Formats: sequence, structure tokens, C-alpha cells
Amino acid sequence: QVQLVQSGAEVKKPGASMKVSCEASGYIFTNYYLHWVRQASGQGLEWMGIINLRGGSTTYAQKFQGRVTMTRDTSTSTVYMELSSLRSEDAAVYYCARANLQGYFDYWGQGTLVTVSS
Amino acid sequence: EIMLTQSPATLSLSPGERATLSCRASQSVGSYLAWYQQKPGQAPRLLIYDASNRATGIPARFSGSGSGTDFTLTISSLEPADFAVYYCQQRSTWTFGQGTKVEIK
Repeated sequence: QVQLVQSGAEVKKPGASMKVSCEASGYIFTNYYLHWVRQASGQGLEWMGIINLRGGSTTYAQKFQGRVTMTRDTSTSTVYMELSSLRSEDAAVYYCARANLQGYFDYWGQGTLVTVSS
Repeated sequence: EIMLTQSPATLSLSPGERATLSCRASQSVGSYLAWYQQKPGQAPRLLIYDASNRATGIPARFSGSGSGTDFTLTISSLEPADFAVYYCQQRSTWTFGQGTKVEIK
């Protein structure tokens, strides 16, 4: 079955960088796109960006351009999302989500809680 | 940027009642709209895609309608498991609405 398993919770200081991983299994990795979505505590869902798992091309939400980098390792079916220059507002649960053939998010990782605190 | 506005913010209903949730787009998104359900501590779950198609395993009491800028998610008869937050999402730039919480009255 399709699974997306994310790395564990992180605590970061303001100004630092974070890197969350998302390991996919149960399907042909390179046949799909993968997105990252975040959710601050008690808030809604915020789309961050998309990576083409075949070619590695990316599109980022304007809000995160210059601070976010999404990469993939096809040998391990793992996607990485790195966010730099962290501030308190970046504290959130970060999700990876696979886009189905229609472009919607049919499978999600379990989420990774990132705390930003000095 | 396409903005999605959901209403109401909170819907207070009893089990067995019908729930009607609205999502309005700032410009036409055709039929390229999805609905997700999220329960506390869980990742969202895809319910409806392309405005009216139920995702795999989604019960028939969930239905979606609309096109262009106005969309509706209907839950025909609320079951206890349906009390959750619902988000709409457009496929062009993948932004989400702010959510509607369906709570027990």
C-alpha cells in the first residue's frame, strides 16, 4: 500500500535551517508529483511547493521562494524539504502529500512538527 | 493569486442532519476543485476531486457540486465520524480555503 513516512519532530532556533524528509513506498516513485503543505497550530493548510519526482523540477509558493528547497533521491524514494532562515512563524506541522493523476493530494505523510524557539 | 473563501466558518449540527458547506473562488477554477476532511491530530483526507467525484473509499453521503467560482460540499446525513474540519482546494495553484469546522450541536 502507498505510504509516505516523514522524519521526526525538530526543534530549531530562529535563523537556523530545517530539513524534513518524506520516504515513499508502495508505488512507482517517479510517476508522481509530491507537494509540501504546512499547518500552524490551530490554523489552516498552507501550500508550500511541488516537486516533479521524475525530473526534479520544482515550483514554490511565492511566499517561500528564496527560503525553500525541495529535492528528491530516486535511489531511496525520498523527498526532502529544506527551509532556511527560520522564524517563529515557521513553527508548524509540515506534511508531504502525493498528487494523484488528477493533481489532487491522495496520500499524505503523518506530519512533522517543527518548533522554532530560542 | 486565486483565493478560496469558505463559509460558514463553523457549522453546528446534530448527527443525522444535512450539512452544506460552501467554497467560493476569486476567479473561475473550472471544475478543478477538491474537498478534504481533517480530524484533530491527523493529516487531511481527500474526499472529493474535480468538484464532484468521490475519492476512493469515500461514502456516498458525501457529494460535491459546482463549477466556475461556486462550489458546495454536502453531507447528506451526518455521522459521528463526520465532525471535523473541511477544506476546499483549487488545483491551479493548490491553495486552500480557510476551512469550515463541522461541530456537534
